[in-house]
Amino acid sequence: EVQLVESGGGLIQPGGSLRLSCAASGFTVSNNHMSWVRQAPGKGLEWVSVIYSGGSTDNADSVKGRFTISRDNSKNTLYLQMNSLRAEDAAVYYCARLEYTSFFNWGQGTLVTVSS
Amino acid sequence: QSALTQPASVSGSPGQSITISCTGTSTDVGSYNLVSWYQQHPGKAPKLMIYEVTKRPSGVSNRFSGSKSGNTASLTISGLQTEDEADYYCCSYAGSSTFSLFGGGTKLTVL
Repeated sequence: EVQLVESGGGLIQPGGSLRLSCAASGFTVSNNHMSWVRQAPGKGLEWVSVIYSGGSTDNADSVKGRFTISRDNSKNTLYLQMNSLRAEDAAVYYCARLEYTSFFNWGQGTLVTVSS
Repeated sequence: QSALTQPASVSGSPGQSITISCTGTSTDVGSYNLVSWYQQHPGKAPKLMIYEVTKRPSGVSNRFSGSKSGNTASLTISGLQTEDEADYYCCSYAGSSTFSLFGGGTKLTVL
């Protein structure tokens, strides 16, 4: 059974950094495209970042230059390094396993709050 | 690129059918048969209901169906049930510059 468990969220001051983790089981992260999607409180879904099975990455314009997606194959874990955090980055962050371009499996999400 | 356009809300009675539209442009919905639909209950993670416009993942009821015409995709739910009450989001691949675009979401109320 595919399972995704996010962690690492919390309260962080504007300008700070945070690293989110997504531990996967039931499949191999490095053999799949993986992504982060976020949802601000009371708002809709927003795609954030993708890492393809081949290792290349892409980011939404709103986080380009600040967020970095990566994976640790030995730990079967996906990461999102978030730097220079802004108030508008506050959201629940979900990791997801992709099949081609569709988000097939989702984690339960981890909440990031950006406030002084 | 802007988000895809969905109606803010739709409603229906148990047993009825409803359709949720999702309008994009010729550079996203209109260019690729890569539209997906997600159901989200309050406080829960989204769940994939339809992918690649018309395909249903294993375990999803055949009461859910998808279609596309031009720049607009649609999700139809037939035989509405109370447990279908949720938020629904469409999503489209948008090319190499933007991997995915989501719609703003539609709140389905089953009266």
